[in-house]
Amino acid sequence: DAKTTQPNSMESNEEEPVHLPCNHSTISGTDYIHWYRQLPSQGPEYVIHGLTSNVNNRMASLAIAEDRKSSTLILHRATLRDAAVYYCILRKPNSGNTPLVFGKGTRLSVIA
Amino acid sequence: DTGVSQNPRHKITKRGQNVTFRCDPISEHNRLYWYRQTLGQGPEFLTYFQNEAQLEKSRLLSDRFSAERPKGSFSTLEIQRTEQGDSAMYLCASSGQGSGNEKLFFGSGTQLSVL
Repeated sequence: DAKTTQPNSMESNEEEPVHLPCNHSTISGTDYIHWYRQLPSQGPEYVIHGLTSNVNNRMASLAIAEDRKSSTLILHRATLRDAAVYYCILRKPNSGNTPLVFGKGTRLSVIA
Repeated sequence: DTGVSQNPRHKITKRGQNVTFRCDPISEHNRLYWYRQTLGQGPEFLTYFQNEAQLEKSRLLSDRFSAERPKGSFSTLEIQRTEQGDSAMYLCASSGQGSGNEKLFFGSGTQLSVL
């Protein structure tokens, strides 16, 4: 899988929007962009994924650059429960037989 | 759907002892993964099963590690002759058959401390 680059840490105020960036300049045309997050003392949990178009779900939005070399996970109103490590992962289609490859992710702190 | 269950949550052992962890995946999921995570790092892949077949093993999985998934249901991960470097969180995940974009569902992990 192609490599992703994320900031080590970010900080946000509660109830403010948070934009978590991810660079993936070596992304191939068929790679999907996946985001997982890991709350303290928990295993990772799926957040969202996309290919080219922006995606929204109940947890977050994913904005994908037109050239696909970067993407941004958007939490519209951060809460204290959103404090976690967020991982951006590239995954090829039909890759069900290959595992997810995690980097170090971005540690998000939310301040009350 | 009760989620992925891992037992025990915590294990403290002395160096040289053997330990075994158990993972119960989501019942209809045929894929099961083991990961290891140390402090400040992302999870690292160890091994993967599709049903009862172990299809891939990471170079991280030394000869002291063995994983099984009899009958394609629950899985066990055994570490023999534990070393202090084995101290880590051991995570299990499962997923269904899909296109490759199916979600992985993780358990809460087993925290191993080797004294």
